[in-house]
Amino acid sequence: EAGVAQSPRYKIIEKRQSVAFWCNPISGHATLYWYQQILGQGPKLLIQFQNNGVVDDSQLPKDRFSAERLKGVDSTLKIQPAKLEDSAVYLCASSLWSQARTDTQYFGPGTRLTVL
Amino acid sequence: DAKTTQPPSMDCAEGRAANLPCNHSTISGNEYVYWYRQIHSQGPQYIIHGLKNNETNEMASLIITEDRKSSTLILPHATLRDTAVYYCIVRVGNQFYFGTGTSLTVIP
Repeated sequence: EAGVAQSPRYKIIEKRQSVAFWCNPISGHATLYWYQQILGQGPKLLIQFQNNGVVDDSQLPKDRFSAERLKGVDSTLKIQPAKLEDSAVYLCASSLWSQARTDTQYFGPGTRLTVL
Repeated sequence: DAKTTQPPSMDCAEGRAANLPCNHSTISGNEYVYWYRQIHSQGPQYIIHGLKNNETNEMASLIITEDRKSSTLILPHATLRDTAVYYCIVRVGNQFYFGTGTSLTVIP
């Protein structure tokens, strides 16, 4: 079974530029998550989708971050414009169904973003 | 905001059991405890989860105290490839709250 795919693996941009990350979840997984992981910290949830609807985006900085999952499968996370503090690893995860109390999340390899 | 407390780092000799503790004193009765690990430059990897009973799989064992306020992840025979950051997580609603984890170093 293929895992969660993410691209690109690495990205370097200058501040005020825009960037986009792509995620393809495990086939059949209804729930998709985007996390931000700053160096030395654990992952922090940015947004959660159930199929093509947003379940939770309370920690997404909506003035510069946006995400979509139009067809309920793959997803794109965008930052525009980027700031220095956005330098982090952006992780995508998926799970079968978030309402199940034992729903396990499976993570992709992440995209490491460096903002100069 | 993490719901768990873990020691920042631990060492373990290769071949010995690694016992990683976690405190989750505010856990509610229907909230599961999950353990993930993250090897350098990779995404977190699922290890095991449990509610109140002890659990075992091919990777590890999870021991949860009777009052559910703490748990221990046991890697029975640690290898060098087990060197990673281990996260103990309480699932609250739809969310996993990651803390800063325990950095486990397995020493040859």
